[in-house]
Amino acid sequence: EIVMTQSPATLSVSPGERATLSCRASQSVSSSLAWYQQKPGQAPRLLIYDASTRATGIPARFSGSGSGTEFTLTISTLQSEDFVVYYCQQYNNWPPGTFGQGTKVEIK
Amino acid sequence: EVQLVESGGGLVQPGGSLRLSCAASGFTFSDYAMSWVRQAPGRGLEWVSGISAGGGDTPYADSVKGRFTISRDNSKNTVSLQMNSLRVDDTAVYYCAKKSAGPRPFDSWGQGTLVTVSS
Repeated sequence: EIVMTQSPATLSVSPGERATLSCRASQSVSSSLAWYQQKPGQAPRLLIYDASTRATGIPARFSGSGSGTEFTLTISTLQSEDFVVYYCQQYNNWPPGTFGQGTKVEIK
Repeated sequence: EVQLVESGGGLVQPGGSLRLSCAASGFTFSDYAMSWVRQAPGRGLEWVSGISAGGGDTPYADSVKGRFTISRDNSKNTVSLQMNSLRVDDTAVYYCAKKSAGPRPFDSWGQGTLVTVSS
């Protein structure tokens, strides 16, 4: 099973600044990597798929990059509603589509 | 608009059973694979089981294999998860999620239903 490791576990950033979240796979997943956002008490929402494609309705301040084993989610200018938890998921090796443990973005 | 609505969660004793259901609308249900993903309190996401569009392929996570059974009814646009021999560590919010065939991400999720296994 492919293990997904996200870093850092918690990221402290000021509103208006840039946030960079990392996700590493234990073996290559090609570009089969998704990012999800989860707000408290809500279901996850797909942000990015195929490593760099924004899902429908996702603002342009969210961008993804990477391939193989190293991936990055960048939030260019943090808005108040962006201070929540983000998960990466690989779906190259299916099943299972393993998730990272999550990164919480908090207000600095 | 895609809607996935889970039901059937609740409190059950260890060793007991529960059946979750997910009602889908807003898309051609029979064209999509479905999965159940769970989240223990304060923890991350764990894929539990999936079912192909036609229902012929039903993989499971090792943690639930032999205890959980996934099924779907394409005439009623529903997917179900029969959970037997429940354990305390099955306590979680269970989400149903939709995806396209093959290795694809989950593009829509339900709001989740809470399963609590406790004596």
